[in-house]
Formats: sequence, C-alpha cells, structure tokens
Amino acid sequence: NAGVMQNPRHLVRRRGQEARLRCSPVKGHSHVYWYRQLPEEGLKFMVYLQKENIIDESGMPKERFSAEFPKEGPSILRIQQVVRGDSAAYFCASSPTPREPQHFGDGTRLSIL
Amino acid sequence: GDSVTQMEGPVTLSEEAFLTINCTYTATGYPSLFWYVQYPGEGLQLLLKATKADDKGSNKGFEATYRKETTSFHLEKGSVQVSDSAVYFCALPASGGSYIPTFGRGTSLIVHP
Repeated sequence: NAGVMQNPRHLVRRRGQEARLRCSPVKGHSHVYWYRQLPEEGLKFMVYLQKENIIDESGMPKERFSAEFPKEGPSILRIQQVVRGDSAAYFCASSPTPREPQHFGDGTRLSIL
Repeated sequence: GDSVTQMEGPVTLSEEAFLTINCTYTATGYPSLFWYVQYPGEGLQLLLKATKADDKGSNKGFEATYRKETTSFHLEKGSVQVSDSAVYFCALPASGGSYIPTFGRGTSLIVHP
C-alpha cells in the first residue's frame, strides 16, 4: 500500500503569491492532519480534517490559510498572499482513527523569496 | 490537557555507545505511547509503541518500556550506529474529547563514527 503522498516536495513562491500543498492519505484513512515544522523546532499542529469536514483548525492562522479534504481527491492546504514567515516544512499525516499512530508524508518545503 | 516532555538535544554520541532519550508524559487515564523517528529530509515514521503499562515496545534495536508509576517512556538502544542519526519524538495519541495527538519537541541524535 502506498503511504502518504505529498506534493510538491519543494515549492518556491514570491511574496504575495499563493501556495497550494497537496496530500493524498493512506488508502482507507479518513483522518488527515496538517503540521508545520521550522528548523530545530518541533511539530506544530495546524488543522485536522475528516472527509469533507474541518474538525479542528485551532492551530491554523485565521487569515490567509485554509484547508480542505474533498470527497474525491487529495487534501489541500492553501496559503494565500504568502509572506517570508510562511517559509517552513509542511507535513501531512493520516490515520485510520485519531487514537492510532499517524502515517506521515515526506513534507513540502516552502520557500518564500 | 495532555503533555509530553522530552530531554533537550542534541545528544551527541560515538558509534556503539549506549543511548537513552528521556520522555515523561501527563495524561488522563492510560493511553498508548509512541516513539517516532524523523530522518533528515523525511517525514516522521513510527518507531515503536506500547499500549499498556509495563509493555515494552521494540524495533530496530530500540526499546522503550511504559512505566505507569513514573509516567515515563524512555527510549534506549544498546549500541548506536551512524545511521541512527535523526530526530526522535515521543507522542501520545488523541484522547478524551480531543482528536489531536500530543508530540514532544523532539530530540536530535548525532552519532559520530
């Protein structure tokens, strides 16, 4: 079975552009999480989605950031009007239930020029 | 709420040295406990887990024992290799009314030849 697939692996944007990060969870997993990681720092929870529904977005900035997990297709994390401070690695994880171990993708490394 | 405290890194060792990375937790009830490993440029992957008190999780020569009395889950390996250089995360799954797992800040391990 394929693991969590994230693309692109690297994304470069200029300030003010939009960044769109994609995540395909493990087949059969309906619980998807997005995290942000800065160098030398731990994981910061952003948002938790369960097929077509945002369950918890308490870690995601209210402005410029949005996430979706449509019935068909990958989960998308969208960052509008990017700023230099958005530069980070963004990881997606999926699990069959919230209480089981998570499966992580290899991340998208976002660089803002 | 739940919390996980890990020893700060980096931990620097010579090849074949003994490794301990401390992890203590605060949680309601008796949750499962996880260790994840993150190799450079990759996402986290589950290293080992324990589901109840006194359980010992093991994988790739690493071990951790779930100690209810001391609320600890320390990671150990008898003889580290250069290839073990990575960041290690101790984690609690989601519990109670929360759907969000709790991760420690991560401990970087550097193994020199």
